[in-house]
Parts: sequence; structure tokens; C-alpha cells
Amino acid sequence: EVQLLESGGGLGQPGGSLRLSCEASGFTFSNYAMNWVRQAPGKGLEWVSAVSGSGGSTYYADSVKGRFTISRDNARNTLYLQMNSLRAEDTAVYYCARSTGYSSSWYIGHWFDPWGQGTLVTVSS
Amino acid sequence: EIVLTQSPGTLSLSPGERATLSCRASQSVSSTYLAWYQQKPGQAPRLLIYGASSRATGIPDKFSGSGSGTDFTLTISRLEPEDFAVYYCQQYGSPPYTFGQGTKLEIK
Repeated sequence: EVQLLESGGGLGQPGGSLRLSCEASGFTFSNYAMNWVRQAPGKGLEWVSAVSGSGGSTYYADSVKGRFTISRDNARNTLYLQMNSLRAEDTAVYYCARSTGYSSSWYIGHWFDPWGQGTLVTVSS
Repeated sequence: EIVLTQSPGTLSLSPGERATLSCRASQSVSSTYLAWYQQKPGQAPRLLIYGASSRATGIPDKFSGSGSGTDFTLTISRLEPEDFAVYYCQQYGSPPYTFGQGTKLEIK
């Protein structure tokens, strides 16, 4: 069974840092690009970042560019999100999601399936 | 960036009725790179439809997607209690991938 399990959420200070992890199982992790998507309390979904299967290419939403870093360790089947310079508006449930599809380009034409259960990040002093 | 606008914001229907949810894009979505997700309270989103009209594995045929270009529709026939949830459309043509603001389907 394909599973994604996030961890690392919690309370972060404004201006501080947190690192989220997403452990994958049930599939060949290195063959798939991965994403982080967040959802502020009572709000909709916002894509945050994507990383290629090798980890060599990344994309970011403008709202987190320069503050967050996505990475992966294929030997450990784990995806990461390093969150620096935290702001109150970063408060959200963070989901990891696998890119799935048939396109030969890793960042074009891949829907998100499956998703992890999410981890809550709260930024407050 | 492609902006997706979903309508209505809230849809109130009774079990057994048919639901029609709309998703309009600010510019054409390449090659129907449009997905629909269902989210229930306290749960992660679940993929329903990809490629605008292909059902994901295990999704019953009461869920159907249609559309192309800038206008897309999710139709749910014969609503059952477990179908009442929030539904999001998403374009995944190229980053930044964007989601609509969601349509809440509630029991009337």
C-alpha cells in the first residue's frame, strides 16, 4: 500500500525555523516527483513546492521562495521541507503529495495522488 | 499564474439529487491538465478526477468530469451522505500549480 506520513509540525516562533519530514512507503520513491501543499485553518489548498525524483530540480510558490527549501533523501525514502523566517501566515496544515502521471517532463502534467495525512504548523509568539 | 474560480461557493442539495460543480480558469489549461479532489473534515484531499474526465482508481462512476480550455465541470449523480464534502479543482500544467477556492457541498 502506498503511504505518506508527515511529521515535524508544531509551534514555531516568528522568524524561526522548522523542518517537516514525509516518509514514503509502498512505491519506488526515487521514481516520483513530490510536492508540499498547505492549508491554512478554514481555508483552501495552496501548493508550496515541488522536487524532482532525483532531487536536482525544484519549484516554489512565490509566497515561500527564498524562505523554504524542499529536499529529499531517496536512500531514506523521505521528503523534507526546511522552513526558515517563519511568518504568522505560514500557519497551516502541511501535506506531502506524490506527483503521478504519464508526462515525460517531471513538472508538467502530473496530478497529486496520494496525499499524506498532514502535519500542523503554528507560527506564533 | 492560472487562477481557478469555482462556483458556487456552497451548494445545498438533498441525498439522491445531482450536483454540478463548476471550475473556470483565467487562461486555457494545457492538455486538460485539470484534476478534482474531495476533502472531508479532518482528512487529506482525495483524488477523484484527473485529465479533466478520467476517474481515479476506486472512484465510483457516479463521479464524472468534463470540460476543456477554461471551463470544467464535476458532476455527482445520486448524492449519498458520504458525498457531502468540499471539492477542489486543480490545474497541474506547470508550476505554480493552482487550486480553486473550493465548493462546499452540504446537505439541504
